[in-house]
Amino acid sequence: DTAVSQTPKYLVTQMGNDKSIKCEQNLGHDTMYWYKQDSKKFLKIMFSYNNKELIINETVPNRFSPKSPDKAHLNLHINSLELGDSAVYFCASSQVDRTLYEQYFGPGTRLTVT
Amino acid sequence: SQKIEQNSEALNIQEGKTATLTCNYTNYSPAYLQWYRQDPGRGPVFLLLIRENEKEKRKERLKVTFDTTLKQSLFHITASQPADSATYLCALERFNQFYFGTGTSLTVIP
Repeated sequence: DTAVSQTPKYLVTQMGNDKSIKCEQNLGHDTMYWYKQDSKKFLKIMFSYNNKELIINETVPNRFSPKSPDKAHLNLHINSLELGDSAVYFCASSQVDRTLYEQYFGPGTRLTVT
Repeated sequence: SQKIEQNSEALNIQEGKTATLTCNYTNYSPAYLQWYRQDPGRGPVFLLLIRENEKEKRKERLKVTFDTTLKQSLFHITASQPADSATYLCALERFNQFYFGTGTSLTVIP
């Protein structure tokens, strides 16, 4: 029973293309996140989203957009891909009103832009 | 903006010793601070949370301290084992977003 799943695990594409990464959580959490982890392993938040509010990190280009069809899904759409977008993207979820407030991460999607 | 730094990118210790990792931040003190473990090719896994009004938290061989005056958290693994080898990340929460440190890669040598 995978708590947070992402597809695809690997994504290789050319510059200028548009791609999507899907994320699903079966934990019943109310908040989901997208992170980018670069080649130096630095994990940086891109978005946090619950059914009330989307918070966008100001450094994220508007080519990136999260789409949430329902509470259990938060997909990441990327337009006009650039070489610098190559990284591992992690989806995560948490329940904001819980005492521990821990995040559960997906396995990651390695995006390579050529 | 908040800057979060963790001690040396890599830390090597002998099996059985205590590993001590540091997490320093520069600006506001968060309501709480979390520690995660990340293995190669996998997502981070939550380990411990400590609140600003708590000095110390323990879980099995893990201990976390939080000093809001020094703006620092220490993460200890006692009786370290080769299986503890991984990258450890600290994270601070602000306005429902989590900001991660640079990470420390720990290697426990048998």
